[in-house]
Amino acid sequence: EAGVVQSPRYKIIEKKQPVAFWCNPISGHNTLYWYLQNLGQGPELLIRYENEEAVDDSQLPKDRFSAERLKGVDSTLKIQPAELGDSAVYLCASSVSTAGSSYNEQFFGPGTRLTVL
Amino acid sequence: GNSVTQMEGPVTLSEEAFLTINCTYTATGYPSLFWYVQYPGEGLQLLLKATKADDKGSNKGFEATYRKETTSFHLEKGSVQVSDSAVYFCALRGYSSASKIIFGSGTRLSIRP
Repeated sequence: EAGVVQSPRYKIIEKKQPVAFWCNPISGHNTLYWYLQNLGQGPELLIRYENEEAVDDSQLPKDRFSAERLKGVDSTLKIQPAELGDSAVYLCASSVSTAGSSYNEQFFGPGTRLTVL
Repeated sequence: GNSVTQMEGPVTLSEEAFLTINCTYTATGYPSLFWYVQYPGEGLQLLLKATKADDKGSNKGFEATYRKETTSFHLEKGSVQVSDSAVYFCALRGYSSASKIIFGSGTRLSIRP
């Protein structure tokens, strides 16, 4: 079974440019997560989708970040315009959420490493 | 709010040495606790978990026990291998299934042959 796929794996852009990251979750996983991982830190949740609905986007900086998950499968995370401080690894994860379950394992993709010059 | 504190790295050990990576947490109620591992160039993988006090999670020779009295979840392995070289993250999730996972800052482990 294929894991979570992310592209590109690496991206270098100049500040003020736009950038987009793509994530394809594991087939059948209805929950999708985007995380931000700064160097030397653990991942921090940016947004969580249940199917096509964003159910937790409280940590997403909405002035420059946006995300979508059309049709409840693939997802795109966009930054416009990018700033120097956005240099980090952007991780996507997916899981199967079932009613009444207290924990559903999240499976992570390899991440996209963004460098803003 | 909920938080996780784990020992800073890097940690460098010789092969077959005993490993301990300390992790303590702050949380209300009864969180679930996890250790994730990130091998070079790969995504995070769940290594083990424990969902209630005194539970012991184990996998691939690694163990961690949920200690509510000390709010700790230390990771241990009796004999490490070069292939264990990776970054290890301690994490917690609140009781509610809607709670998000809070990660520690990670501990880089390097094993010398």
